[in-house]
Amino acid sequence: DIQMTQSPSSLSASVGDRITITCRASQSIGTYLNWYQQKPGKVPKVLVYAASTSQSGVPARFSGSGSGTDFTLTISSLQPEDSASYYCQQSYSTPWTFGQGTQVEI
Amino acid sequence: QIQLVQSGPEVKRPGASVKVSCKASGDIFTNYGFNWLRQAPGQGPEWMGWISAYNGNTRYSQKYQGRVTMTTDTSTTTVYLDVRSLRSDDTAIYYCSSGRTAIFDHWGQGTLVTVSS
Repeated sequence: DIQMTQSPSSLSASVGDRITITCRASQSIGTYLNWYQQKPGKVPKVLVYAASTSQSGVPARFSGSGSGTDFTLTISSLQPEDSASYYCQQSYSTPWTFGQGTQVEI
Repeated sequence: QIQLVQSGPEVKRPGASVKVSCKASGDIFTNYGFNWLRQAPGQGPEWMGWISAYNGNTRYSQKYQGRVTMTTDTSTTTVYLDVRSLRSDDTAIYYCSSGRTAIFDHWGQGTLVTVSS
């Protein structure tokens, strides 16, 4: 199985800050990497797929980059509604696997 | 786009089985494949497997092979997850999800399964 490791596991930042979340795969996965946002009591929501393609309707402050084993999700100007957990997920091979999550507190 | 509505919460004893349903609406059922995932408290989601509503083909995570069964009923546009030999560490929210291959676009609301003696 491909292991996905995120860092940091949690972070605290202020409104307007730029933050970056990192995801590392245990083997090369090309750009088969997706990012999700999950708010408490809600289901995960796709933010970015194929490493850098933003899902329709997602605010432009969210962006993804990377390929191979190293990926990042950047929020360019943190907003109060961005308080959530963020997960990366590889779609290269089954079993599809997720990172352990990054909790963002504002 | 497809909407997914799951069955209600369950409480089971260790060793029992549970069957969770997921009713799909809003689009042609047999055009979709459906994934089952679960999320334990404080953890990330975990993919359990996938079933095609077109032909019933399945693909299970090796971790669950032999202990779970996924089925569909095209007459009621419902997908089912059957988990056997429940243990306390099976306590989690179980989700059905659909969308593009290996991208979980649409989710049911989740079903809490609690395994406790």
